[in-house]
Amino acid sequence: DVKVTQSSRYLVKRTGEKVFLECVQDMDHENMFWYRQDPGLGLRLIYFSYDVKMKEKGDIPEGYSVSREKKERFSLILESASTNQTSMYLCASSHPPGLAAADEQYFGPGTRLTVT
Amino acid sequence: AQTVTQSQPEMSVQEAETVTLSCTYDTSESDYYLFWYKQPPSRQMILVIRQEAYKQQNATENRFSVNFQKAAKSFSLKISDSQLGDAAMYFCALISNFGNEKLTFGTGTRLTIIP
Repeated sequence: DVKVTQSSRYLVKRTGEKVFLECVQDMDHENMFWYRQDPGLGLRLIYFSYDVKMKEKGDIPEGYSVSREKKERFSLILESASTNQTSMYLCASSHPPGLAAADEQYFGPGTRLTVT
Repeated sequence: AQTVTQSQPEMSVQEAETVTLSCTYDTSESDYYLFWYKQPPSRQMILVIRQEAYKQQNATENRFSVNFQKAAKSFSLKISDSQLGDAAMYFCALISNFGNEKLTFGTGTRLTIIP
C-alpha cells in the first residue's frame, strides 16, 4: 500500500516562529504537493514539486516555501508563522500524468497547525 | 484556469437509502480527469472514483457511481445503499491530463448518514 506520512498530527507554534512540516512517501512518486484545507474553502494548493530540487508555486504560495532534497521527502516551511496560517495542512504524492495509473493523489493524514 | 463547484455544503441521507452529491466544473482543456475523494472524520483522504473525460461510460465502483455530463460540465456522485461508514467530507476534483499537474478541488460536501 502507498503510504504518505506527515511528521506531526497536531502542532502549536507562536507567531513569528519558523515552522517545518515534513512529508515522506514510500511509492517513488515523482510529484509531491502541499495543500491547506480550510472550512468552506476546500483544499488549496500551496506548492508542488515534480522532481528533486524542483518546485512550482500553487495558488497560495505567499508566506510559505518548500524544499525537496530527496525524492521521497517534501518539506513545507513557514518562515515566520502568522495566525492566519492556522489551518490543516495536507501532503500528497502521485505519478505524473501520462502513466497508466496517473493522476490519483495519495494523501497523508494531515497536520493541524495552530499559530497563537 | 479551471474551477470546481460543489453547491451543497451539507447533505444527509437515511442509512440504506441513495444520495447524490453534485459537482460542476469548468476547464478549457478537452482531455482531463475528474475525481471524487472522501475524507472520513480524522482520517486520510482517499480516492472514491475517477472518470476520464474521453470515456462516455460512467464510472462505477461498487455502491459508488457517477453521472458524467460532459456538455453540461457536470459530475455528480451517487452513493447507493448508504452505510454509516460513508459519513465523510466528499470533494470533487479536476486535473488536466497534459501540461497541468495541478488538482483543483471543490469546497466539499459533508455527508451525514442517519441511522
